[in-house]
Amino acid sequence: DGGITQSPKYLFRKEGQNVTLSCEQNLNHDAMYWYRQDPGQGLRLIYYSQIVNDFQKGDIAEGYSVSREKKESFPLTVTSAQKNPTAFYLCASSMSGRAPYEQYFGPGTRLTVT
Amino acid sequence: AQTVTQSQPEMSVQEAETVTLSCTYDTSESDYYLFWYKQPPSRQMILVIRQEAYKQQNATENRFSVNFQKAAKSFSLKISDSQLGDAAMYFCAYRSARRTSGTYKYIFGTGTRLKVLA
Repeated sequence: DGGITQSPKYLFRKEGQNVTLSCEQNLNHDAMYWYRQDPGQGLRLIYYSQIVNDFQKGDIAEGYSVSREKKESFPLTVTSAQKNPTAFYLCASSMSGRAPYEQYFGPGTRLTVT
Repeated sequence: AQTVTQSQPEMSVQEAETVTLSCTYDTSESDYYLFWYKQPPSRQMILVIRQEAYKQQNATENRFSVNFQKAAKSFSLKISDSQLGDAAMYFCAYRSARRTSGTYKYIFGTGTRLKVLA
């Protein structure tokens, strides 16, 4: 079955440590996205990528980094510079083009930093 | 910049009844797409329905339908014959038909939590 996988589902880290969240898709989608979800704030865009080796900052990119070395993979690193990293993180992908393509979402990773 | 507003943080509906969730958006564009997503307690985001702005006809998907008022920039979701499984967070989303920085960005509202009462 085609879809998006995110691992792990729950992640715990100590303050000051970098942590990388995995996102893989086998939908052959060009575009991939990372969102952060906090209560009452909806989905906020962290980074997005249209093609391999290219990505753009979203609305809240500070303290995060990404890479896009393969079309299928778009890992997100939460660095120690992110002031409030505890949140639910969603990865998404979509087809490109003007048609009303929706985003497909992974199951998410809940990150807790103490 | 485009914005999406969902003014109802929480709504309740009796099982088998009908409920309408509100969404308004702000844009200067004429060509765009609108979506409603459902996020159940599992937190898996699922597409409920989509609407193309150039289509006057309101989209429907089984018990789900929208009331799209382009001039008023309103995109409400109507759920008929509500079921317990409809209980979830519902997000309204906007996507321009034009690329920004090489791709298409989606803008989400803050969500409405729907409770279904047995």
